[in-house]
Amino acid sequence: GENVEQHPSTLSVQEGDSAVIKCTYSDSASNYFPWYKQELGKRPQLIIDIRSNVGEKKDQRIAVTLNKTAKHFSLHITETQPEDSAVYFCAASIGTGFQKLVFGTGTRLLVSP
Amino acid sequence: DGGITQSPKYLFRKEGQNVTLSCEQNLNHDAMYWYRQDPGQGLRLIYYSQIVNDFQKGDIAEGYSVSREKKESFPLTVTSAQKNPTAFYLCASSTSSGQGIRRGSRDEQFFGPGTRLTVL
Repeated sequence: GENVEQHPSTLSVQEGDSAVIKCTYSDSASNYFPWYKQELGKRPQLIIDIRSNVGEKKDQRIAVTLNKTAKHFSLHITETQPEDSAVYFCAASIGTGFQKLVFGTGTRLLVSP
Repeated sequence: DGGITQSPKYLFRKEGQNVTLSCEQNLNHDAMYWYRQDPGQGLRLIYYSQIVNDFQKGDIAEGYSVSREKKESFPLTVTSAQKNPTAFYLCASSTSSGQGIRRGSRDEQFFGPGTRLTVL
């Protein structure tokens, strides 16, 4: 079945630096790749997503890139702020009819002032 | 954030007990999901439902059961057969059944606030 690997598991940066989180997936039929942010004790919330028919998407300080050939996608956060500190999960869709999501194991991002 | 709720927020279970976690949504979503979250393991799919009166097993369905009698509700029962039920349980819902690219709708899954279950 689909497997999604996420790296690194923890990431510490200084405020203002950039942060990059990478994921790889195994199912070439996957066509939807969301990224969720989860603050401590709270629910995951979608921050950005990308479909397989585009290679890059940007929303202010957040961007996601997708390389279908290599089956990997990445989250880029620029000008990091302490409030960006959270756990970030990538996911990939599976199934050609009804689509389910398979999640990565998460990256704990710590932004130090 | 609003529109999908879970109760209770904290739940304690004794050995051998069945417990039921509630999930309700007023977003008019067709699809609903249950995930289990353990430290360092991300979110794992327990059960999902595409439509009322239909549901399918996910990756870790053993020891769990669900029902989908109403569009708004998707309760999860953790049975005594689940050997290690202590975890954070998240319910989610979405509008689309995976046709987002053709119909132009989003496949975003909206999550509830979660229930933390602890076995005593």
